[in-house]
Amino acid sequence: DSGVTQTPKHLITATGQRVTLRCSPRSGDLSVYWYQQSLDQGLQFLIQYYNGEERAKGNILERFSAQQFPDLHSELNLSSLELGDSALYFCASSVGSSGPYNEQFFGPGTRLTVL
Amino acid sequence: AQKITQTQPGMFVQEKEAVTLDCTYDTSDPSYGLFWYKQPSSGEMIFLIYQGSYDQQNATEGRYSLNFQKARKSANLVISASQLGDSAMYFCAMREGGGGFKTIFGAGTRLFVKA
Repeated sequence: DSGVTQTPKHLITATGQRVTLRCSPRSGDLSVYWYQQSLDQGLQFLIQYYNGEERAKGNILERFSAQQFPDLHSELNLSSLELGDSALYFCASSVGSSGPYNEQFFGPGTRLTVL
Repeated sequence: AQKITQTQPGMFVQEKEAVTLDCTYDTSDPSYGLFWYKQPSSGEMIFLIYQGSYDQQNATEGRYSLNFQKARKSANLVISASQLGDSAMYFCAMREGGGGFKTIFGAGTRLFVKA
């Protein structure tokens, strides 16, 4: 158990809908990262927050947004869902925000299925 | 630009034997970190080992060691005395130290350990 929690574990929804994925980082970690893992794209970095502020953006679609709250939990909002958004979404956390060594601890993931 | 290449989609190894999973990378940043993660069929991402670009010695963690050849830009994972529980997907990842916060992942290698 990494100490990172994600809810829900599974989510099934329809095209065009909006969903919210939630992540609670490990105690003491200030950074939260979101990743998308799909069969065709592999594991892709989406976005990072550090202590409530956005720090880095990766391959995140405009239909997706995220935020980190004062209690450091984070939410990833996915809207106007398409079939291709079906994937495993991981949240990871780390103590710091930068530097080559910044061990990220991954949550169990949320499996999103868009029908 | 950052790039991680894992050329072995699948590998077989006999139980108790050692196996090497290949990873090559490309970066122009002199400061970077290399990571290996294990993803079992249950889906979670488990951190295995880290190597910094300035580390003089190869990293080791129990049965895992990282064969770091800087000039060749390779960071191969060696698993000694393979166990059935080592059957999983293995991802090599890299994070640059200068300015970039995102971690990029290779496509992964699926390891099958035979009894």
